Amino acid sequence: SQTIHQWPATLVQPVGSPLSLECTVEGTSNPNLYWYRQAAGRGLQLLFYSVGIGQISSEVPQNLSASRPQDRQFILSSKKLLLSDSGFYLCAWSELREVDNEQFFGPGTRLTVL
Amino acid sequence: GDSVTQMEGPVTLSEEAFLTINCTYTATGYPSLFWYVQYPGEGLQLLLKATKADDKGSNKGFEATYRKETTSFHLEKGSVQVSDSAVYFCALSDRADYGQNFVFGPGTRLSVLP
Repeated sequence: SQTIHQWPATLVQPVGSPLSLECTVEGTSNPNLYWYRQAAGRGLQLLFYSVGIGQISSEVPQNLSASRPQDRQFILSSKKLLLSDSGFYLCAWSELREVDNEQFFGPGTRLTVL
Repeated sequence: GDSVTQMEGPVTLSEEAFLTINCTYTATGYPSLFWYVQYPGEGLQLLLKATKADDKGSNKGFEATYRKETTSFHLEKGSVQVSDSAVYFCALSDRADYGQNFVFGPGTRLSVLP
């Protein structure tokens, strides 16, 4: 069966510090991968998605970036965090050519920027 | 572009009350429709889905029917429990755009009081 992991689970970082969040998927190949951000009490904002290694599409311009160095690994990064980067970051995957396109979510990383 | 609209929350109900959370959508293609649930501090879990008109998705006592004529996918449960307290997200996946076009509504927070 497929599983998705995210780490760390929680992170507290000062403004201006770098960021690296990691997401890995097990039990599937060639998945679509997604990064979402959920601000406190808000809905989901799609940040990035990837349909293959090295292929990243950005939905919202910001100081974040994403990379996919391996088929089942998706990394969210920043060189300098802003206060507004605080939130709950969710990674998700879906089958590449599955018609129903159901997305499966990881447990999330709660980031607090001070 | 595609969009999902949900009723504004929070929704507060007493245990055993009837629940309806409205969801309507706009889409360019013929979307699949989903309800996800997010318990406090966790990622999103798929609650139910429907892939074509008049399909009824159901799970854990929750139901939603894909109504193409009214572009709606309202979530219902006949008798809610305290454990149903969570945020509920309506979402669509547009088959016209595999993988990339998965749109979430803003979420509706449900609180069930004993």
